[in-house]
Amino acid sequence: KQEVTQIPAALSVPEGENLVLNCSFTDSAIYNLQWFRQDPGKGLTSLLLIQSSQREQTSGRLNASLDKSSGRSTLYIAASQPGDSATYLCAVDRGSTLGRLYFGRGTQLTVWP
Amino acid sequence: NAGVTQTPKFQVLKTGQSMTLQCAQDMNHEYMSWYRQDPGMGLRLIHYSVGAGITDQGEVPNGYNVSRSTTEDFPLRLLSAAPSQTSVYFCASKSRGELFFGEGSRLTVL
Repeated sequence: KQEVTQIPAALSVPEGENLVLNCSFTDSAIYNLQWFRQDPGKGLTSLLLIQSSQREQTSGRLNASLDKSSGRSTLYIAASQPGDSATYLCAVDRGSTLGRLYFGRGTQLTVWP
Repeated sequence: NAGVTQTPKFQVLKTGQSMTLQCAQDMNHEYMSWYRQDPGMGLRLIHYSVGAGITDQGEVPNGYNVSRSTTEDFPLRLLSAAPSQTSVYFCASKSRGELFFGEGSRLTVL
């Protein structure tokens, strides 16, 4: 069974810092890896999707990389802002239409001014 | 473009009552799914559908029914609510590997 782990579970940093969130998975036979953001009381918002043929994706101050062989992905947030405070989750799947996503339990990020 | 819309946002039920959580998407996605999110348990897949008329069970299907009569709608039915079904429920649709979530429905069963 695929297990997805996110470290750290919580992170508190001052505004302006560059930071890295980690996601590891036990079965390297994945197809897609997706990073989400969840604000309190809200749904999950898709941030970045890394598909099978890709090794990284970038959107604004966010950069996500994927190393299937080591079973790891990292989400890099540059110049963090208080508005980045949220829970960040990663999820992996096998890519088929029938495939379910396996979610980590998230990293709760707090960026203080 | 509304994306994935869930209703109601909040609901309180008594044990044994039944109800339906509604989910609609306007992105013409074939794949739709229901998750529940519980503290310490993360997100768990309840049921999913790969198109109209096709549904299948996920990780935690017991106590829930689904149907998919149209591409747009994927309702989740609780036939006889139990306190263990107190949770936040999320509907999601998927296209080209990317999952899109609704805002969630918070259900409390007393």
